[in-house]
Amino acid sequence: NFMLTQPHSVSESPGKTVTISCTRSSGNIASNYVHWYQQRPGSSPTLLIYEDYRRPSGVPDRFSGSIDSSSKSASLTISGLKTEDEADYYCQSYDNNTPYVFGTGTKVTVL
Amino acid sequence: EVHLVESGGGLVEPGGSLRLSCAASGFSFSSYSMTWVRQAPGKGLEWVSSISSTDRYIYYVDSVKGRFTISRDNAENSVFLQMNGLRTEDTAVYYCGRKYSGSQGIDYWGQGTLVTVSS
Repeated sequence: NFMLTQPHSVSESPGKTVTISCTRSSGNIASNYVHWYQQRPGSSPTLLIYEDYRRPSGVPDRFSGSIDSSSKSASLTISGLKTEDEADYYCQSYDNNTPYVFGTGTKVTVL
Repeated sequence: EVHLVESGGGLVEPGGSLRLSCAASGFSFSSYSMTWVRQAPGKGLEWVSSISSTDRYIYYVDSVKGRFTISRDNAENSVFLQMNGLRTEDTAVYYCGRKYSGSQGIDYWGQGTLVTVSS
């Protein structure tokens, strides 16, 4: 099995850009899709990015996802940061042995 | 509109049992794999168990194997999690989720049900 490691927290001012990394401990990050979820305080998670970079309908294009095989990492970028983006963010992937592996989670604070 | 509504959580003593239910609506339930994910207080998300659309394929995280059983009733549009031999470390909010029709992701989540294991 593998793990997905994220920074514990990031913070930035409104209007700025933040990037959250998701590093896979073993195996190729590009071998299996990475999904991202947003969990606002007191709420259930919601799907934010699927299959590395695709956005479900209704998700603003301020949110974008990418994969960097050389660094074994996926990234979630939030541009034009808004106070409503304050939430926990989780990456998730899988392999043949484990259907779902979640990242450690990142708390985004909008200063 | 897709809706997933969990129920069955509560307070139980260590060693006890609970049965969680998840009622689905707004989509063709029998066509989708379903999953349970839990979140301990103040902690991150942890996958617990998954079941394929016809329950041919069932998976568990190692920590619950032999204690938890996932099942589904496609006629009732419901998925269940029978939890036996509960431990204090099973205390969490349990979410029901629908597997995205493409790759291995969760496109819809329920509101969760809290399970507290304590004496």
